[in-house]
Amino acid sequence: DTEVTQTPKHLVMGMTNKKSLKCEQHMGHRAMYWYKQKAKKPPELMFVYSYEKLSINESVPSRFSPECPNSSLLNLHLHALQPEDSALYLCASRPYSVSSYNEQFFGPGTRLTVL
Amino acid sequence: AQTVTQSQPEMSVQEAETVTLSCTYDTSENNYYLFWYKQPPSRQMILVIRQEAYKQQNATENRFSVNFQKAAKSFSLKISDSQLGDTAMYFCAFMIEETSGSRLTFGEGTQLTVNP
Repeated sequence: DTEVTQTPKHLVMGMTNKKSLKCEQHMGHRAMYWYKQKAKKPPELMFVYSYEKLSINESVPSRFSPECPNSSLLNLHLHALQPEDSALYLCASRPYSVSSYNEQFFGPGTRLTVL
Repeated sequence: AQTVTQSQPEMSVQEAETVTLSCTYDTSENNYYLFWYKQPPSRQMILVIRQEAYKQQNATENRFSVNFQKAAKSFSLKISDSQLGDTAMYFCAFMIEETSGSRLTFGEGTQLTVNP
């Protein structure tokens, strides 16, 4: 299995809703990432997990709450979002070793719309 | 801090022709990695090619090749025999190894359109 999967593909939610995004990989990668991407812009890093521990939080508002239950799974819990949070949310994973295969593998993303 | 600059927001090329996308970066590090990612209209980010800074030889992957000039901090992508499926946003990205989890620094992207 050489891919990163993300569910759901699309999500529409109100500002008072609570929802979660899910990301899964079975490549044995030990670093996992959440990005936010607006149209025609590069991805912006939100969080990094290394060996299931949160290692980077790019000053993301607390209405976004990441979770890494195990080495294959990454969740992003959403609560009280704002319309400006509407974006494509990308998950990525990467082998945690100094090798030639050190690129990040991206999932297909979840398109989030906040009404 | 690292920065990546892509000076061409949009480019177009005729099918079967060759096009070069430019990328420059700024860093004080000596060991790092450079990547070109492609994002077609589906918005799936796909790795096109990678280059390790310690390797002098330019990377190639089929129709895609890079011109890596370390002293000039330049990393351009050449696409030969362009195909309609190459139409996409192309992002140049920089990475250094960090114990906290090696982040990618992206350029602003170049939208490439291949015309029939």
